[in-house]
Amino acid sequence: QVQLQESGPGLVKPSETLSLTCTVSGGSISSYYWSWIRQPPGKGLEWIGYISYIGSTSYNPSLKSRVTISLDTSRNQFSLKLSSVTAADTAVYYCARAIGSSWHFGFWGRGTLVTVSS
Amino acid sequence: EIVLTQSPGTLSLSPGEGATLSCRASQSVSSSYLTWYQQKPGQAPRLLIYGASSRATGIPDRFSGSGSGTDFTLTISRLEPEDFAVYYCQQFGSSLQYTFGQGTKLEIK
Repeated sequence: QVQLQESGPGLVKPSETLSLTCTVSGGSISSYYWSWIRQPPGKGLEWIGYISYIGSTSYNPSLKSRVTISLDTSRNQFSLKLSSVTAADTAVYYCARAIGSSWHFGFWGRGTLVTVSS
Repeated sequence: EIVLTQSPGTLSLSPGEGATLSCRASQSVSSSYLTWYQQKPGQAPRLLIYGASSRATGIPDRFSGSGSGTDFTLTISRLEPEDFAVYYCQQFGSSLQYTFGQGTKLEIK
């Protein structure tokens, strides 16, 4: 069974860069599309972006200028960097997997809360 | 960008009753790429329905999805206590981007 696990700092200062990693176990990172999704406390889901197994990316236009998603196939990991963070970026961040033929998120990590505060 | 609007925002029902949740898109969405998720407090979303009407593995048959174009529906035929949660629709479009609806909270009456 595929498992995804987010990791990274739970507290980031305003104007700094948020960095998270998702480690995939129980399956290969190849042949799928890997997304980051976030959820501010008490609010809905917001897709941040994805990276494909060959390294192509797509980002939410509202975040595109601040987001970079990268892939490390040797470690079965992919990562998120979100620059110039503000309190509005405080959220639970999820990583998730989609299949290119159907594009739904069949597997999710448990999520990690990142708080932006000085 | 395709905007998904879910209604109602909150639905109050009793166990045993049926529920109908709506997801309306600002422009036509491919049925192949319309998905429904269930989320309970403190948990990640769980895949329920993909391709507008296909149940994910392990999802009870009291959950069903339908619709096409701009109007999609999630129906729960007989509510069980564990069904009270927040439900999100999501689409993937030709711009290679995802959007989620704002969610419908299904609460016990």
